[in-house]
Amino acid sequence: EDQVTQSPEALRLQEGESSSLNCSYTVSGLRGLFWYRQDPGKGPEFLFTLYSAGEEKEKERLKATITKKESFLHITAPKPEDSATYLCAVQVRSYIPTFGRGTSLIVHP
Amino acid sequence: DTGVSQNPRHKITKRGQNVTFRCDPISEHNRLYWYRQTLGQGPEFLTYFQNEAQLEKSRLLSDRFSAERPKGSFSTLEIQRTEQGDSAMYLCASSFQGANTEAFFGQGTRLTVV
Repeated sequence: EDQVTQSPEALRLQEGESSSLNCSYTVSGLRGLFWYRQDPGKGPEFLFTLYSAGEEKEKERLKATITKKESFLHITAPKPEDSATYLCAVQVRSYIPTFGRGTSLIVHP
Repeated sequence: DTGVSQNPRHKITKRGQNVTFRCDPISEHNRLYWYRQTLGQGPEFLTYFQNEAQLEKSRLLSDRFSAERPKGSFSTLEIQRTEQGDSAMYLCASSFQGANTEAFFGQGTRLTVV
């Protein structure tokens, strides 16, 4: 059975304190891995798609990387407005994204 | 087109009542997904359409749940005889047909069953 595990479940950072979120996956035939940001009471907002090991994508303070078994979302010098839940999803043969439970990030000023 | 639209945003209903939610996907998106999300969890897959065809349903989707996508445009999700356990955020997403295409989500419908 396909599995997506995100860690840590929750992360508290001081403003400017860089860190990384992890998404580990055990799937057969990965078609794509997606990162989303979700604010409380809202739908997930698409951030990145990664297709194969070694690929990297960047957007402002966020950088996503991927290996054959896991993906990282690196947050450089975070600001309070980066506080949100970050979700990872994998897409395999049926084109249906399967989500992890997310990492809740709080950045203190 | 500004994105995926879901209505209503909030719904409070009494246990045993039927409810229906609507999703308008991004135009030209062939694929449409419904998910359910509870507090502290990631979105759980419910069902998936490609154009008007419902191609897959989760085992989580009991007989009380039904979804339609007439003419491959908007979609509706109906829950019959609601139970308190149905209280959740119901999310709709759409994507282009093709390999490795990301899904874009609406703002969700928050259902509270009292």
